[in-house]
Amino acid sequence: KNQVEQSPQSLIILEGKNCTLQCNYTVSPFSNLRWYKQDTGRGPVSLTIMTFSENTKSNGRYTATLDADTKQSSLHITASQLSDSASYICVVSDRGSTLGRLYFGRGTQLTVWP
Amino acid sequence: EADIYQTPRYLVIGTGKKITLECSQTMGHDKMYWYQQDPGMELHLIHYSYGVNSTEKGDLSSESTVSRIRTEHFPLTLESARPSHTSQYLCASSESGTSGENTGELFFGEGSRLTVL
Repeated sequence: KNQVEQSPQSLIILEGKNCTLQCNYTVSPFSNLRWYKQDTGRGPVSLTIMTFSENTKSNGRYTATLDADTKQSSLHITASQLSDSASYICVVSDRGSTLGRLYFGRGTQLTVWP
Repeated sequence: EADIYQTPRYLVIGTGKKITLECSQTMGHDKMYWYQQDPGMELHLIHYSYGVNSTEKGDLSSESTVSRIRTEHFPLTLESARPSHTSQYLCASSESGTSGENTGELFFGEGSRLTVL
């Protein structure tokens, strides 16, 4: 069983609408959680990082939250744009080594329609 | 924009052929990685390197091999490609160190999509 589960698997929204993507993890110990955006045919790009002590962090129209007690994170996208169409991947790092092992979710495929 | 480059972007070859996927980065990162990505699935680590002359196998068993002769270059080779090797291969690099927000951030290339007929 994957230690990082993302939902929904796919999502279609209209341009201008908001949406929230979910990431639940069982990774322990926990170091940090990153959200990546992967455009079709491209490599993933980091959007934001959440550490144990952080609850909320914003990056433009993207706002990530973290509840380390329930091991849940969300990525909220405000006023969606066509360019937001992409796969959003949740990645959790443990503290097992200098860098930490990385656990990848399968991603949420977001499609924004005009 | 991350300064990490992969070639070729797309490759279609026949079974039994030898192929090399190239990956280069100009950020001076010591750590480099190869991931395999199939549609709807999570990325799987197949190889990584923490510096020159250092290579390790990742979590996913792979028949490919890698080399790290120069810091900036981390090629992946398949001696005899098979249809089961058809996949997207992503190269990444990251900074060294144990602290700082950038620690652990992966910078990915645009990927090499391999199709073996």
